[in-house]
Amino acid sequence: DGGITQSPKYLFRKEGQNVTLSCEQNLNHDAMYWYRQDPGQGLRLIYYSQIVNDFQKGDIAEGYSVSREKKESFPLTVTSAQKNPTAFYLCASSPTTSGRVPEQYFGPGTRLTVT
Amino acid sequence: AQKITQTQPGMFVQEKEAVTLDCTYDTSDQSYGLFWYKQPSSGEMIFLIYQGSYDEQNATEGRYSLNFQKARKSANLVISASQLGDSAMYFCASHRGTGGFKTIFGAGTRLFVKA
Repeated sequence: DGGITQSPKYLFRKEGQNVTLSCEQNLNHDAMYWYRQDPGQGLRLIYYSQIVNDFQKGDIAEGYSVSREKKESFPLTVTSAQKNPTAFYLCASSPTTSGRVPEQYFGPGTRLTVT
Repeated sequence: AQKITQTQPGMFVQEKEAVTLDCTYDTSDQSYGLFWYKQPSSGEMIFLIYQGSYDEQNATEGRYSLNFQKARKSANLVISASQLGDSAMYFCASHRGTGGFKTIFGAGTRLFVKA
């Protein structure tokens, strides 16, 4: 089955540690995204990538970093510079083919808790 | 700057009745798209429906329809014949131009379907 996988589902870290969240897709989509969701709020865009080896900052990129070395993979690193890293993180991908609805397909999310 | 406003934090609807979830958007772009996503308690985001700014007819997908009023900058979601499984958070979102890369989300509306 095609889809997006994120691992792990729950992640616990100590303050001051960097942590990397995994995101893999087998939908053959060019574009991939990372969002952050805080309780009772909508999603905020952290980073997005339109194509391999290229990515752009979203609205809340400070304290985060990404890489896009393969089409299938878009890992997100939450660095110690991120002031409030505890949140629900969602990865998504979308097609970029002209004429297609640019809906985003989401993974199940990773709930990160930093203490 | 783009902004999505969902003014209903919570809504109740009786099973089998229709419900309208409000969404207004603020953009100066000529080309844009509007989405609705559903987020059950599991956390995963599910795409429901899409409307492009140049689409003259309102989008429909099964029990979902999008009431698009361009002059009023509103894109309300109508769910007909509500089911218990429709209880979830619903997010309105918008992207700029083609490709849908930089998407912004509203704060969401929690829908409760009563038996």
